Amino acid sequence: GAGVSQSPSNKVTEKGKDVELRCDPISGHTALYWYRQSLGQGLEFLIYFQGNSAPDKSGLPSDRFSAERTGGSVSTLTIQRTQQEDSAVYLCASNPDRGETQYFGPGTRLLVL
Amino acid sequence: EDQVTQSPEALRLQEGESSSLNCSYTVSGLRGLFWYRQDPGKGPEFLFTLYSAGEEKEKERLKATLTKKESFLHITAPKPEDSATYLCAVYGGSQGNLIFGKGTKLSVKP
Repeated sequence: GAGVSQSPSNKVTEKGKDVELRCDPISGHTALYWYRQSLGQGLEFLIYFQGNSAPDKSGLPSDRFSAERTGGSVSTLTIQRTQQEDSAVYLCASNPDRGETQYFGPGTRLLVL
Repeated sequence: EDQVTQSPEALRLQEGESSSLNCSYTVSGLRGLFWYRQDPGKGPEFLFTLYSAGEEKEKERLKATLTKKESFLHITAPKPEDSATYLCAVYGGSQGNLIFGKGTKLSVKP
């Protein structure tokens, strides 16, 4: 079946602009995660959605970052007033339930000039 | 604080030269340890899940093992196509997210 998909695959923006990154999880997966991978760093957890529960936002680095998940499926990660340090690969993952294997999308490579 | 440390950071092998990658962890109540492979420009690809000390899993030239403090990914007679970054991650405590190590970049030369 189809895996996790993300769009765009690459995004170049200017400092101060807002960006939206999209994630389409595997059908039927109730849990969805966003991670950030910076050069030379491990994957950094950002936010986690589980069904209809309130999301776990504990990993968001600042209030410029926000995410929503509509209808329990597609998710959008929004970064407002982008900064150069936001440049990274943003990865989305999903799984059938918390604690189970997470399956990752190909990522969105964000470059802030 | 929950933590995952992988070593070495980089490993260069000749084709056929077997070796092991290490993942040591400190977590309150391990609920699963995961190995992923990541190729350049791609998302992590799931390899194995281990749940309890003594457990082993195998896939082709790869074997993952788990103790109470660490996990090893053994690579037997590697081929150039095994070149990738190998990531280790754990679920622990009450967290819903995975905690990742920084990975080991493996290069296998023909």
